[in-house]
Amino acid sequence: ETGVTQTPRHLVMGMTNKKSLKCEQHLGHNAMYWYKQSAKKPLELMFVYNFKEQTENNSVPSRFSPECPNSSHLFLHLHTLQPEDSALYLCASSQEGDGEKLFFGSGTQLSVL
Amino acid sequence: GEDVEQSLFLSVREGDSSVINCTYTDSSSTYLYWYKQEPGAGLQLLTYIFSNMDMKQDQRLTVLLNKKDKHLSLRIADTQTGDSAIYFCAGRTSGNTPLVFGKGTRLSVIA
Repeated sequence: ETGVTQTPRHLVMGMTNKKSLKCEQHLGHNAMYWYKQSAKKPLELMFVYNFKEQTENNSVPSRFSPECPNSSHLFLHLHTLQPEDSALYLCASSQEGDGEKLFFGSGTQLSVL
Repeated sequence: GEDVEQSLFLSVREGDSSVINCTYTDSSSTYLYWYKQEPGAGLQLLTYIFSNMDMKQDQRLTVLLNKKDKHLSLRIADTQTGDSAIYFCAGRTSGNTPLVFGKGTRLSVIA
């Protein structure tokens, strides 16, 4: 398998549930990202990991918890979300020094009831 | 910080040229990108241009950069129905600043 793979593709959860989004990249990149895509809003950068270290956290609420166990895998743990957190969550990877060309997964469409 | 603006919608007839426009605010932007998002998919890098270039052509795609006006455009020649998608402009200044995306332009191609 090549590129950036995200699972699950769709997720419906209640506000009291705990779930995790998974991302895996097969491109040998050293940076991984979580973005949130909501209707009629610009793409919002949530977290950045370089060489497994978190380098960016754009004031994301603590109900979103990222985890990067190695340079190929990235998780987003979700806990007690709100309906306004419903969105498409996109994972991306890039190679540092390559002009920040991002390669995106297909995303997880999340609905919070 | 950087702010990127795009018009939200564009409709063209199949076979015509499409021009998608973008403006940005940070004159020190060094890299400017165009991404394409098809329904149910993530963003796909289409093309990019460095700030020391005025134009870049790649098959049916032409990117024009006007640094004075901080204006970027993407021209798609001979637009096809498969070009229907949302097109995002993104910019990045030097250093470790992350990419800033516009809201995207939805291109509809009418057969």
